Amino acid sequence: KAGVTQTPRYLIKTRGQQVTLSCSPISGHRSVSWYQQTPGQGLQFLFEYFSETQRNKGNFPGRFSGRQFSNSRSEMNVSTLELGDSALYLCASSWSALGQGRNTIYFGEGSWLTVV
Amino acid sequence: GQQLNQSPQSMFIQEGEDVSMNCTSSSIFNTWLWYKQDPGEGPVLLIALYKAGELTSNGRLTAQFGITRKDSFLNISASIPSDVGIYFCAGLGAGGTSYGKLTFGQGTILTVHP
Repeated sequence: KAGVTQTPRYLIKTRGQQVTLSCSPISGHRSVSWYQQTPGQGLQFLFEYFSETQRNKGNFPGRFSGRQFSNSRSEMNVSTLELGDSALYLCASSWSALGQGRNTIYFGEGSWLTVV
Repeated sequence: GQQLNQSPQSMFIQEGEDVSMNCTSSSIFNTWLWYKQDPGEGPVLLIALYKAGELTSNGRLTAQFGITRKDSFLNISASIPSDVGIYFCAGLGAGGTSYGKLTFGQGTILTVHP
């Protein structure tokens, strides 16, 4: 069965632009969560979507947003990009919502964003 | 943001040696997960733990959920060169502001010398 798929794998954007990243979860998984990974801050939770609703959000500014579609696919958007947004953005999927039941959380390979 | 305290930060070992790493937190977690990440790739799930005191193995890997629910450890026995990578612990908060959020350790960089 296919794993978590993220697109694009690599992208370069200019400061001030916006970017949209896409994530397709494992078939049957309804929870999609997003993470930012940087050398300085490590892996940090951005937000989780379950059944098209945002359940939780990490400590990130409002420039970071997301949505989930009825087929559980999710997109993440970052507006007004800053140099510090350069990072590996990871998406993960789980059958149940985070914190409910026995969560087994699988990650995609990530989208490398470079802001210049 | 909040992170788990993972140690050691790095390890240099000889092939065939055993490895142990652990994570601690001031908060209680109801799930502990251990991942391995290779350069340029996403984290790969190694072991999931759901109950305090639970001990689970996956081949040469063994992990335990601490009885206080604030810590977990991962052991790798008889290490081989392909064990090289960064190992992360992650916890799902049991309540409060950490509920429903996956929190990560800083990672342990493992180098195995043949």
